[in-house]
Amino acid sequence: AQTVTQSQPEMSVQEAETVTLSCTYDTSESDYYLFWYKQPPSRQMILVIRQEAYKQQNATENRFSVNFQKAAKSFSLKISDSQLGDAAMYFCAYRALIQGAQKLVFGQGTRLTINP
Amino acid sequence: DTGVSQDPRHKITKRGQNVTFRCDPISEHNRLYWYRQTLGQGPEFLTYFQNEAQLEKSRLLSDRFSAERPKGSFSTLEIQRTEQGDSAMYLCASSRPGQGSSGYTFGSGTRLTVV
Repeated sequence: AQTVTQSQPEMSVQEAETVTLSCTYDTSESDYYLFWYKQPPSRQMILVIRQEAYKQQNATENRFSVNFQKAAKSFSLKISDSQLGDAAMYFCAYRALIQGAQKLVFGQGTRLTINP
Repeated sequence: DTGVSQDPRHKITKRGQNVTFRCDPISEHNRLYWYRQTLGQGPEFLTYFQNEAQLEKSRLLSDRFSAERPKGSFSTLEIQRTEQGDSAMYLCASSRPGQGSSGYTFGSGTRLTVV
């Protein structure tokens, strides 16, 4: 069974600085997607960034980037120039790329606090 | 695109009562998912529908739980004989075919408290 582990229950960073959230996963599949979701206090889960496992290039979305290490099964999220609006729970998630596989497997989450 | 709507936002019920939640997905999305999120944890998959067909159910979905999507549009999740362990946030999400790599659109959830 696939599992996703986020070893940092809480992280904090000063506004405008950079923070990295860690995620490791376990799977026997070779093709899959990885995601980072943000869940602000309003509770709606929002997609931050995604990575296809077959792509070697790390995904980037504005201030958000990932460090995808397929052999190590590691998928960290870097947030640059942190803003107050980045404060939220962040979840790493996995989805196998096989026919019929639809479910997302989530990690336990990391609560990110931004200090002004 | 009005997003994924869930109703109610909060539900407090007494142990042993039945509760029903509703999810309205984005109109052109044919796939609909239910997840459960307990405090301090990530969401856990419960079940998913493609159109009106329920294609996968988690072992978390005991026989007290039933989900329907009768016309392939909105979905309901019913919990019978609620237990305190059912207290959680119930999240609904939807997607359209070919959107798998983009993730899903989630609703704001229904928070259930069983007292």
